[in-house]
Amino acid sequence: DAEITQSPRHKITETGRQVTLACHQTWNHNNMFWYRQDLGHGLRLIHYSYGVQDTNKGEVSDGYSVSRSNTEDLPLTLESAASSQTSVYFCASRGQGEREAFFGQGTRLTVV
Amino acid sequence: GQQLNQSPQSMFIQEGEDVSMNCTSSSIFNTWLWYKQDPGEGPVLLIALYKAGELTSNGRLTAQFGITRKDSFLNISASIPSDVGIYFCAGHQYGATNKLIFGTGTLLAVQP
Repeated sequence: DAEITQSPRHKITETGRQVTLACHQTWNHNNMFWYRQDLGHGLRLIHYSYGVQDTNKGEVSDGYSVSRSNTEDLPLTLESAASSQTSVYFCASRGQGEREAFFGQGTRLTVV
Repeated sequence: GQQLNQSPQSMFIQEGEDVSMNCTSSSIFNTWLWYKQDPGEGPVLLIALYKAGELTSNGRLTAQFGITRKDSFLNISASIPSDVGIYFCAGHQYGATNKLIFGTGTLLAVQP
């Protein structure tokens, strides 16, 4: 079955380190998204991509970057991890012209 | 960033009771989606609504797309313990943004 997977599921890192979270989908969806989920804030959009080589900033993009070299993957990089980036991160994908987005299982990141 | 107003924030009910939650926005949406998130997992799509006035069911769940296009409702009938989780609404806007806006979630607890 087609799916969307995130790795790792849990990560602990130190302040200042670079961290990359992986997202891989096998639906061949053009649209991919990264969200962070924090208590009291719901799901907030970090970055998104509408296709290969396309990336766009969301509402909370500072300190994060993404790259889209193929359809299946949208890795999220924290350039220099900060304690404020401790959160649960979700990747989602959506087919071209579709409105429903499908989510991965999430990555819990702790920055110490 | 923009978020939808979702209420109530939390509900604590007895098994067998009916549940109702809603989302409102100052903006018009062309699609409303309802997701459920189990503890430690990603949001899973429950129901998608595509036009004003639409009423759609998925088992014991029923959702409606408000006539004004600025609100949506989710009802759960005869709740059971596995209904526990966080329920999110999401709206897709007209225009070029092509992004989903999420509500802040409703935490549902069901006591057997």
